[in-house]
Amino acid sequence: AQSVTQLDSHVSVSEGTPVLLRCNYSSSYSPSLFWYVQHPNKGLQLLLKYTSAATLVKGINGFEAEFKKSETSFHLTKPSAHMSDAAEYFCVVSDRRTGANNLFFGTGTRLTVIP
Amino acid sequence: GAVVSQHPSWVICKSGTSVKIECRSLDFQATTMFWYRQFPKQSLMLMATSNEGSKATYEQGVEKDKFLINHASLTLSTLTVTSAHPEDSSFYICSVGAGPTYEQYFGPGTRLTVT
Repeated sequence: AQSVTQLDSHVSVSEGTPVLLRCNYSSSYSPSLFWYVQHPNKGLQLLLKYTSAATLVKGINGFEAEFKKSETSFHLTKPSAHMSDAAEYFCVVSDRRTGANNLFFGTGTRLTVIP
Repeated sequence: GAVVSQHPSWVICKSGTSVKIECRSLDFQATTMFWYRQFPKQSLMLMATSNEGSKATYEQGVEKDKFLINHASLTLSTLTVTSAHPEDSSFYICSVGAGPTYEQYFGPGTRLTVT
């Protein structure tokens, strides 16, 4: 069975400081992993995805995530936070065996950026 | 990635009336679309999988007679909330499953308020 745990419901950082949003997953099969961002009253935008190629994945807006199988983690990082990064972030896992019909969402992490 | 639109972006209706929400895949022929609902400060909950030319597949606990889904073409799926009640007030988001890596591309969402 697949599941995702986002360890922090809320993260607050100062502008210009690093961002770390934590995600641990559970998957019976080789997972695909995604990070999506949602700004208020907006749909979800794909930040990056891991699908079995390079374990360090670079996404849009300077975000990246590292797939660590031994730790079952897929933490999202950014070297320097920008005010526009304030949003809700969702870690998502899918089972590549069954595909897109089975996306499992984490509960989300709200990122606040302090000027 | 696929570009997905939703209409309307925001709708207010009276209790007992029906509301139709459209989801369009603008640049991708989508045989499968997904409908989610999201309550405030919560994650997305999959309601149903919409299959072009056939009946939708509903998740457990979702009333198919209340949430009518029609996927008559490869670019359009509609969700009709029938006999709406205030507890149906929510943010409804559709998505398109695309590509071999199983990511989904999300519409901007529709906020439904039932008074």
